[in-house]
Amino acid sequence: GAVVSQHPSWVICKSGTSVKIECRSLDFQATTMFWYRQFPKQSLMLMATSNEGSKATYEQGVEKDKFLINHASLTLSTLTVTSAHPEDSSFYICSARWARANTEAFFGQGTRLTVV
Amino acid sequence: AQTVTQSQPEMSVQEAETVTLSCTYDTSESDYYLFWYKQPPSRQMILVIRQEAYKQQNATENRFSVNFQKAAKSFSLKISDSQLGDAAMYFCAYRSASGSGYALNFGKGTSLLVTP
Repeated sequence: GAVVSQHPSWVICKSGTSVKIECRSLDFQATTMFWYRQFPKQSLMLMATSNEGSKATYEQGVEKDKFLINHASLTLSTLTVTSAHPEDSSFYICSARWARANTEAFFGQGTRLTVV
Repeated sequence: AQTVTQSQPEMSVQEAETVTLSCTYDTSESDYYLFWYKQPPSRQMILVIRQEAYKQQNATENRFSVNFQKAAKSFSLKISDSQLGDAAMYFCAYRSASGSGYALNFGKGTSLLVTP
Protein backbone atom coordinates (compact mmCIF):
# COMPACT_ATOMS: atom_id res chain seq x y z
CA GLY A 1 0.00 0.00 0.00
CA ALA A 2 0.84 3.73 0.17
CA VAL A 3 1.50 4.26 -3.52
CA VAL A 4 1.88 7.71 -4.99
CA SER A 5 1.62 8.10 -8.73
CA GLN A 6 2.90 11.14 -10.54
CA HIS A 7 2.03 11.98 -14.13
CA PRO A 8 3.52 12.62 -16.58
CA SER A 9 6.95 11.08 -16.01
CA TRP A 10 8.45 13.50 -18.45
CA VAL A 11 7.20 16.41 -20.49
CA ILE A 12 8.65 18.81 -23.02
CA CYS A 13 6.93 22.12 -23.54
CA LYS A 14 7.57 25.31 -25.44
CA SER A 15 8.66 28.43 -23.65
CA GLY A 16 5.68 30.53 -22.63
CA THR A 17 3.23 27.66 -22.33
CA SER A 18 1.85 26.08 -19.17
CA VAL A 19 2.19 22.52 -18.04
CA LYS A 20 0.30 20.59 -15.38
CA ILE A 21 1.76 17.80 -13.25
CA GLU A 22 -0.52 15.48 -11.30
CA CYS A 23 0.22 13.70 -8.06
CA ARG A 24 -2.20 11.00 -6.93
CA SER A 25 -2.31 8.85 -3.84
CA LEU A 26 -3.66 5.58 -5.19
CA ASP A 27 -4.60 3.63 -2.10
CA PHE A 28 -4.80 6.14 0.72
CA GLN A 29 -6.10 9.57 1.51
CA ALA A 30 -3.40 12.19 1.56
CA THR A 31 -4.17 15.01 3.92
CA THR A 32 -1.00 16.82 2.97
CA MET A 33 1.07 16.78 -0.18
CA PHE A 34 4.49 18.28 -0.79
CA TRP A 35 6.14 19.46 -3.97
CA TYR A 36 9.90 19.38 -4.36
CA ARG A 37 12.21 20.51 -7.10
CA GLN A 38 15.53 18.88 -7.92
CA PHE A 39 18.10 20.32 -10.29
CA PRO A 40 20.68 17.95 -11.82
CA LYS A 41 23.13 16.57 -9.29
CA GLN A 42 21.51 18.59 -6.53
CA SER A 43 19.29 17.91 -3.58
CA LEU A 44 15.52 18.12 -3.30
CA MET A 45 14.25 21.54 -2.35
CA LEU A 46 10.78 21.96 -0.90
CA MET A 47 8.65 24.27 -3.01
CA ALA A 48 5.31 24.15 -1.27
CA THR A 49 3.03 22.27 1.06
CA SER A 50 -0.60 21.74 0.20
CA ASN A 51 -3.46 20.64 2.39
CA GLU A 52 -6.69 19.39 0.93
CA GLY A 53 -9.21 22.15 0.50
CA SER A 54 -6.95 25.02 1.44
CA LYS A 55 -4.36 27.23 -0.17
CA ALA A 56 -0.84 25.95 -0.52
CA THR A 57 1.97 27.29 1.61
CA TYR A 58 4.96 28.26 -0.49
CA GLU A 59 8.57 28.30 0.60
CA GLN A 60 10.48 31.55 0.50
CA GLY A 61 11.62 32.40 -3.00
CA VAL A 62 9.02 30.27 -4.78
CA GLU A 63 6.68 32.30 -6.97
CA LYS A 64 3.14 31.31 -6.13
CA ASP A 65 1.77 32.86 -9.32
CA LYS A 66 4.15 30.82 -11.41
CA PHE A 67 3.78 27.51 -9.63
CA LEU A 68 0.08 27.02 -9.07
CA ILE A 69 -0.83 24.23 -6.68
CA ASN A 70 -4.29 22.80 -6.32
CA HIS A 71 -5.22 20.13 -3.80
CA ALA A 72 -8.90 19.72 -4.53
CA SER A 73 -9.33 16.20 -3.18
CA LEU A 74 -7.71 13.86 -0.69
CA THR A 75 -6.12 11.87 -3.50
CA LEU A 76 -5.03 14.49 -6.01
CA SER A 77 -2.75 17.49 -6.03
CA THR A 78 -1.65 19.31 -9.15
CA LEU A 79 1.27 21.59 -9.87
CA THR A 80 0.90 23.92 -12.85
CA VAL A 81 3.98 25.67 -14.13
CA THR A 82 2.65 28.76 -15.85
CA SER A 83 4.43 30.62 -18.65
CA ALA A 84 7.28 28.17 -18.45
CA HIS A 85 10.82 29.24 -19.29
CA PRO A 86 13.97 27.19 -19.86
CA GLU A 87 15.15 27.95 -16.32
CA ASP A 88 12.06 26.09 -15.04
CA SER A 89 13.45 22.90 -16.54
CA SER A 90 13.96 20.57 -13.62
CA PHE A 91 12.83 17.39 -11.92
CA TYR A 92 9.67 17.85 -9.87
CA ILE A 93 8.74 15.32 -7.18
CA CYS A 94 5.66 15.11 -5.02
CA SER A 95 5.19 13.32 -1.76
CA ALA A 96 2.10 12.62 0.27
CA ARG A 97 1.34 12.17 3.92
CA TRP A 98 -0.80 9.28 5.04
CA ALA A 99 -2.15 9.68 8.56
CA ARG A 100 -1.86 5.94 9.27
CA ALA A 101 1.86 5.91 8.48
CA ASN A 102 2.84 8.41 11.05
CA THR A 103 6.52 8.82 10.44
CA GLU A 104 7.08 9.01 6.72
CA ALA A 105 5.80 10.53 3.54
CA PHE A 106 5.51 8.62 0.28
CA PHE A 107 7.07 9.82 -2.95
CA GLY A 108 5.87 9.85 -6.52
CA GLN A 109 8.25 8.82 -9.25
CA GLY A 110 8.89 12.39 -10.32
CA THR A 111 8.39 14.44 -13.48
CA ARG A 112 11.21 15.63 -15.68
CA LEU A 113 10.21 18.96 -17.22
CA THR A 114 12.14 20.34 -20.17
CA VAL A 115 11.22 23.76 -21.50
CA VAL A 116 12.50 24.54 -24.98
CA ALA B 1 15.75 26.48 10.25
CA GLN B 2 17.23 23.05 10.41
CA THR B 3 20.20 22.29 8.20
CA VAL B 4 21.42 18.90 7.09
CA THR B 5 25.03 18.46 6.02
CA GLN B 6 26.48 15.61 4.04
CA SER B 7 30.19 16.26 3.71
CA GLN B 8 30.98 13.45 1.29
CA PRO B 9 29.86 14.27 -2.28
CA GLU B 10 31.10 10.88 -3.49
CA MET B 11 32.04 7.60 -1.92
CA SER B 12 33.27 4.35 -3.38
CA VAL B 13 33.12 0.83 -1.98
CA GLN B 14 34.01 -2.59 -3.26
CA GLU B 15 31.34 -5.21 -3.53
CA ALA B 16 30.86 -7.13 -0.26
CA GLU B 17 32.68 -4.47 1.73
CA THR B 18 31.26 -1.99 4.25
CA VAL B 19 30.87 1.72 3.76
CA THR B 20 29.71 4.52 6.04
CA LEU B 21 28.02 7.68 4.82
CA SER B 22 28.14 10.72 7.09
CA CYS B 23 25.41 13.16 8.00
CA THR B 24 25.23 15.93 10.54
CA TYR B 25 22.34 18.23 11.27
CA ASP B 26 21.58 21.34 13.19
CA THR B 27 18.40 21.80 15.20
CA SER B 28 17.14 23.28 18.42
CA GLU B 29 14.28 20.80 18.61
CA SER B 30 14.31 17.82 20.93
CA ASP B 31 11.87 15.66 19.03
CA TYR B 32 12.34 14.90 15.36
CA TYR B 33 12.88 12.17 12.80
CA LEU B 34 15.87 11.37 10.65
CA PHE B 35 15.87 9.43 7.41
CA TRP B 36 18.17 8.04 4.79
CA TYR B 37 16.75 7.92 1.28
CA LYS B 38 18.23 6.21 -1.74
CA GLN B 39 17.76 7.71 -5.21
CA PRO B 40 18.84 5.35 -7.98
CA PRO B 41 19.19 6.48 -11.62
CA SER B 42 15.41 6.12 -12.01
CA ARG B 43 15.20 9.00 -9.50
CA GLN B 44 12.49 7.30 -7.46
CA MET B 45 13.03 8.15 -3.80
CA ILE B 46 13.32 4.99 -1.73
CA LEU B 47 13.26 5.05 2.05
CA VAL B 48 16.25 3.12 3.40
CA ILE B 49 15.95 3.64 7.11
CA ARG B 50 14.38 5.97 9.69
CA GLN B 51 15.28 6.96 13.22
CA GLU B 52 13.10 8.58 15.87
CA ALA B 53 15.13 11.02 17.94
CA TYR B 54 13.55 9.89 21.19
CA LYS B 55 14.79 6.35 20.65
CA GLN B 56 18.31 5.70 21.84
CA GLN B 57 18.59 2.42 20.00
CA ASN B 58 20.08 2.69 16.54
CA ALA B 59 17.77 1.63 13.73
CA THR B 60 18.67 -1.37 11.60
CA GLU B 61 17.19 -2.67 8.36
CA ASN B 62 18.93 -5.79 7.09
CA ARG B 63 22.32 -4.63 5.72
CA PHE B 64 21.65 -1.01 6.61
CA SER B 65 22.21 0.45 10.04
CA VAL B 66 22.67 3.88 11.50
CA ASN B 67 24.87 5.38 14.17
CA PHE B 68 22.70 8.04 15.78
CA GLN B 69 24.53 10.37 18.13
CA LYS B 70 21.93 12.84 19.35
CA ALA B 71 24.25 15.01 21.41
CA ALA B 72 26.67 15.30 18.52
CA LYS B 73 23.80 15.70 16.04
CA SER B 74 25.26 13.01 13.87
CA PHE B 75 23.41 10.36 11.87
CA SER B 76 25.64 8.13 9.77
CA LEU B 77 24.53 5.24 7.56
CA LYS B 78 26.47 1.99 7.42
CA ILE B 79 25.95 -0.33 4.50
CA SER B 80 27.32 -3.81 5.07
CA ASP B 81 28.05 -6.41 2.41
CA SER B 82 27.67 -3.80 -0.31
CA GLN B 83 25.96 -4.89 -3.50
CA LEU B 84 26.06 -3.47 -7.01
CA GLY B 85 22.43 -2.47 -6.60
CA ASP B 86 23.36 -0.19 -3.73
CA ALA B 87 24.95 2.25 -6.17
CA ALA B 88 22.86 5.42 -6.01
CA MET B 89 22.58 8.87 -4.51
CA TYR B 90 21.92 8.77 -0.79
CA PHE B 91 20.19 11.64 0.94
CA CYS B 92 20.01 12.26 4.65
CA ALA B 93 16.82 14.03 5.68
CA TYR B 94 15.36 15.69 8.75
CA ARG B 95 11.74 16.11 9.73
CA SER B 96 10.36 17.98 12.67
CA ALA B 97 8.00 16.02 14.90
CA SER B 98 5.57 18.92 14.98
CA GLY B 99 4.55 22.15 13.32
CA SER B 100 5.94 21.80 9.81
CA GLY B 101 4.10 18.60 9.11
CA TYR B 102 5.91 16.00 7.11
CA ALA B 103 8.09 18.20 4.93
CA LEU B 104 11.61 16.88 4.71
CA ASN B 105 14.79 18.89 4.83
CA PHE B 106 17.43 17.12 2.72
CA GLY B 107 21.19 17.17 2.70
CA LYS B 108 23.03 17.62 -0.59
CA GLY B 109 23.51 13.91 -1.04
CA THR B 110 26.33 11.42 -1.38
CA SER B 111 26.88 9.54 -4.61
CA LEU B 112 27.83 5.95 -3.83
CA LEU B 113 29.76 3.93 -6.38
CA VAL B 114 30.01 0.17 -5.90
CA THR B 115 32.84 -1.55 -7.74
CA PRO B 116 32.98 -5.27 -8.52
